[in-house]
Order: sequence, then C-alpha cells, then structure tokens
Amino acid sequence: AQSVTQPDIHITVSEGASLELRCNYSYGATPYLFWYVQSPGQGLQLLLKYFSGDTLVQGIKGFEAEFKRSQSSFNLRKPSVHWSDAAEYFCAVVYMEYGNKLVFGAGTILRVKS
Amino acid sequence: DTGVSQDPRHKITKRGQNVTFRCDPISEHNRLYWYRQTLGQGPEFLTYFQNEAQLEKSRLLSDRFSAERPKGSFSTLEIQRTEQGDSAMYLCASSPRASGSTGELFFGEGSRLTVL
Repeated sequence: AQSVTQPDIHITVSEGASLELRCNYSYGATPYLFWYVQSPGQGLQLLLKYFSGDTLVQGIKGFEAEFKRSQSSFNLRKPSVHWSDAAEYFCAVVYMEYGNKLVFGAGTILRVKS
Repeated sequence: DTGVSQDPRHKITKRGQNVTFRCDPISEHNRLYWYRQTLGQGPEFLTYFQNEAQLEKSRLLSDRFSAERPKGSFSTLEIQRTEQGDSAMYLCASSPRASGSTGELFFGEGSRLTVL
C-alpha cells in the first residue's frame, strides 16, 4: 500500500539551530516526493519536490531535502531555523503506477523557541 | 487574488443535514482535487477531476458524498445526511496539466465542517 511515515509528531528547535524532519515512504518503483508546509490559517504550500536526477533538492525558504532510495527516505533540512518557520510540515508521495494523487504523511509540527 | 478559493470557510450543521462546499480553482488549471483533513492527520485524497471528468474516487468517499465539476471550472462537494464523523477540514486543490507538474498542487484554505 502507498504510505508515508513521519515519525515525529512534534519537534521543537531553537531559532538559529539546524532542522531535520524525517520522512519514509513505502516502496514504489517511481516515487515522486514532496514536502508541503501548512501555516495556521493558510493553505498548504509546496516547499520542494523530487522527481529524478540529483538526490539533493533545493526548495523555497532555504529548505532542502535529500532522497535516499536505499533508506526509502526523503528528509527535509534547513541549516538555520527562523521563528517564521513554525508550522506543520507534510511529506507526500505520488506513485505514477497508482495514479495521479498525492498521499500525505501525518505531518510534523515544528515549534521554534527564541 | 488568483489563488484557489473555497466557500464557505466554516460550516456548522446538525447531524442528518446536507451540506455543500464550493471550490474555485486557479483559472488556467484543469485538474482539481478534494482532500479531507482531520485533526492530527495529513490530508486524505477524496476525488480528482480533469476538466469536467471525475477520474478517480477514493474508497473513503461513501455514497453520501458526491462531487461535481460541471463545466470544468468550479467544483462542488456535497455531503448528504451528515454524520459526526464527517467533521473535518475539506481541502480543494488545483494543478495545471503541464509536464512536470505532477503532485504540485495549489491548495485553498479549506472549508471546516462541524457536525453537531
């Protein structure tokens, strides 16, 4: 079954510290991987995506993610977190062999302390 | 503002009543999606349109749920005989059919349904 696991429900980091949010996806031949962010009162926004090629992808707001096929992982990172990064982050996957729909993880809530 | 808009933003209803949500996608986008999100969960796929054709429906979508996109523009999601378990945020998203846009969805702010 298509699934995405985000092991951490909540993460708290200090402003200026580095961040890594974990994501694991169930095995699929051709996963397309995404990270979305949801701020309170706002719609989900795409941060970055991976389709193929370079396994380290850059996104908006200084975020990056690395695809590791051997670990079925697509972890999101940011070198220095800002207070405005506090939000909920969702990893998502599309398996083209199962149709054109995003399957989301349960999300990780990021809190930033000053 | 040319983003995805949803109406109403909040709806409180009594169990057994019918409710309808409307979604206006970004005008040049021909794909439209409905998702449902409950507290502590990620969005769950409900259904997907390409133009006016409903191409996929989730098994989550019971017979009480129906979605339409009559002219390939706006869409409606109707829930008949609402149950308390229908309480959730209903999200609409749209996407262009451009090559490489798979999974790149533009979401509205959602319609929150509370069933009493």
